[in-house]
Amino acid sequence: GDSVTQMEGPVTLSEEAFLTINCTYTATGYPSLFWYVQYPGEGLQLLLKATKADDKGSNKGFEATYRKETTSFHLEKGSVQVSDSAVYFCALNGNYGQNFVFGPGTRLSVLP
Amino acid sequence: KAGVTQTPRYLIKTRGQQVTLSCSPISGHRSVSWYQQTPGQGLQFLFEYFSETQRNKGNFPGRFSGRQFSNSRSEMNVSTLELGDSALYLCASSLSGQAGANVLTFGAGSRLTVL
Repeated sequence: GDSVTQMEGPVTLSEEAFLTINCTYTATGYPSLFWYVQYPGEGLQLLLKATKADDKGSNKGFEATYRKETTSFHLEKGSVQVSDSAVYFCALNGNYGQNFVFGPGTRLSVLP
Repeated sequence: KAGVTQTPRYLIKTRGQQVTLSCSPISGHRSVSWYQQTPGQGLQFLFEYFSETQRNKGNFPGRFSGRQFSNSRSEMNVSTLELGDSALYLCASSLSGQAGANVLTFGAGSRLTVL
């Protein structure tokens, strides 16, 4: 079945550092890919998405590119802030009515 | 536009009791999905309802059940609670379901503690 693998962390960075969180997937067909973020005490929020190969999703300085050849959707940000401290989930959604598949989440801590 | 509302936000129960959690989706959204989130297992899919019908179900025992009303509001019920049911239960709504580019919008969750 479909699956998502991502680095589990925790990842600890200093403010203004470069962030990469790796995400790879296994799926049939051409799924849509998502990054969700969960701040402490809250539910998940959509951060960005991409629906086809080579699409780039971006939001709040975060970017991820849908790479079909490497089945990856790595999350990047050029300069993280303390307020980016959260858990980040990579997810996919197939086109055949299956439910969303989420990765295990990566906890990011940004130190001032 | 109001978001996804889950009630109650926090609750404490004892083993053997049952619990009902409620979810009001975004207006116009017809699909409601439920997830269990625990530190050890991450996010696990419970079930999805669309137009009052259960359309998809995860791998949970029959103690976990749900329903959806004609106004798209949904409830989930857990009977004969076990310690391992302690978790954050998340509800998510979407316009038409989980396929393709549909986006899930999550509520803040109901945190259940079983003593």
